[in-house]
Amino acid sequence: AQSVAQPEDQVNVAEGNPLTVKCTYSVSGNPYLFWYVQYPNRGLQFLLKYITGDNLVKGSYGFEAEFNKSQTSFHLKKPSALVSDSALYFCAVRAWLSGGYNKLIFGAGTRLAVHP
Amino acid sequence: GAVVSQHPSWVICKSGTSVKIECRSLDFQATTMFWYRQFPKQSLMLMATSNEGSKATYEQGVEKDKFLINHASLTLSTLTVTSAHPEDSSFYICSARDSLNGRTPHEQFFGPGTRLTVL
Repeated sequence: AQSVAQPEDQVNVAEGNPLTVKCTYSVSGNPYLFWYVQYPNRGLQFLLKYITGDNLVKGSYGFEAEFNKSQTSFHLKKPSALVSDSALYFCAVRAWLSGGYNKLIFGAGTRLAVHP
Repeated sequence: GAVVSQHPSWVICKSGTSVKIECRSLDFQATTMFWYRQFPKQSLMLMATSNEGSKATYEQGVEKDKFLINHASLTLSTLTVTSAHPEDSSFYICSARDSLNGRTPHEQFFGPGTRLTVL
């Protein structure tokens, strides 16, 4: 089955420290991978994507993610966390289904808490 | 660019009534729109895929007669929750893909969500 796993419900990090939010995936064919962020009572905001090319993808607000095919991972990273980065982060993969139909499958989400 | 709006942002209704939620792509055309449901502290669950001018494709377990979807134009899709009950209370989020813009292939743009509370 095609799926996305975010093994951590919550990640706590001190402001100024590097942060990592983990994501692993299982998908048929080449993976199209995405990270989104959600602030309270808001929709999802796109951070970055991997479709093809360089394994290190840079996105919005200083975030980046590294695609690792052998480990089927797409961890989100930021060198120096800000308190304003505190939010809910979702990893997603585009799953290709029969008949050319495709859809985004989301992970359960990881709450990032950055402490001053 | 690539803004998706939803209206209303929140709604409270009585049990048994119907509620319509609108999703609009403001600056692009969207052949395909998606409706998600999110329970507190949980992930997004795809309810249905809405295609302009044709019937929506519902995910397994989603009642098509209860959650009516209409995608009448390239910029508007609506979700109507019919005969709403308290268990339908949730955060509903729509999403759209830009049909024509080759600069943002594979991306989905999300609306701000609609919080439905059924009393």
